[in-house]
Amino acid sequence: DGGITQSPKYLFRKEGQNVTLSCEQNLNHDAMYWYRQDPGQGLRLIYYSQIVNDFQKGDIAEGYSVSREKKESFPLTVTSAQKNPTAFYLCASKFLGRTGTEAFFGQGTRLTVV
Amino acid sequence: DQQVKQNSPSLSVQEGRISILNCDYTNSMFDYFLWYKKYPAEGPTFLISISSIKDKNEDGRFTVFLNKSAKHLSLHIVPSQPGDSAVYFCAASGVGTNAGKSTFGDGTTLTVKP
Repeated sequence: DGGITQSPKYLFRKEGQNVTLSCEQNLNHDAMYWYRQDPGQGLRLIYYSQIVNDFQKGDIAEGYSVSREKKESFPLTVTSAQKNPTAFYLCASKFLGRTGTEAFFGQGTRLTVV
Repeated sequence: DQQVKQNSPSLSVQEGRISILNCDYTNSMFDYFLWYKKYPAEGPTFLISISSIKDKNEDGRFTVFLNKSAKHLSLHIVPSQPGDSAVYFCAASGVGTNAGKSTFGDGTTLTVKP
């Protein structure tokens, strides 16, 4: 089945550790995105990539890093520099080429710092 | 400055009645608007969209209205069903190099009572 897969669904991290969230899509989408959602808030863009080997910072990129070595994959690393990493992280992908196509989202990863 | 605003955090309606969810935006460069539906601990799913060249788009029980002069859009659900209970996000995107990037509102939690 075509879709976008995030793993793991739940992740626990000790303070001071880096952790990497996986996002894979087999939809042949050009663009991929990482969002963060906190309770009672909307989706805030962390990083996005419109083409392989290129990515741009979103609104809250500090403390995060990404890579786009393959079209299908866009992993997000939450570094120890991220002061408040506990949140629900969502990965999305979409076609480019015409304005306004919808994004497809993964099921999310809930990260908790212990 | 929040470019997409959903001023009502929550809405409660009776089954069978109309639900109206509102969204305001400030950036006149937005030319495509989307609504997503989200259940707890899941990723958002696309619901309906509208281009700025239109003022209405209908899909079954869901209709989106766009008032460009007021920079306002609304989602109407008729008739509302208990399964519609979820968080609804309004999103907007624009032309240009950032055409793939969407800006999200904070969401409105809809509760449909049986």
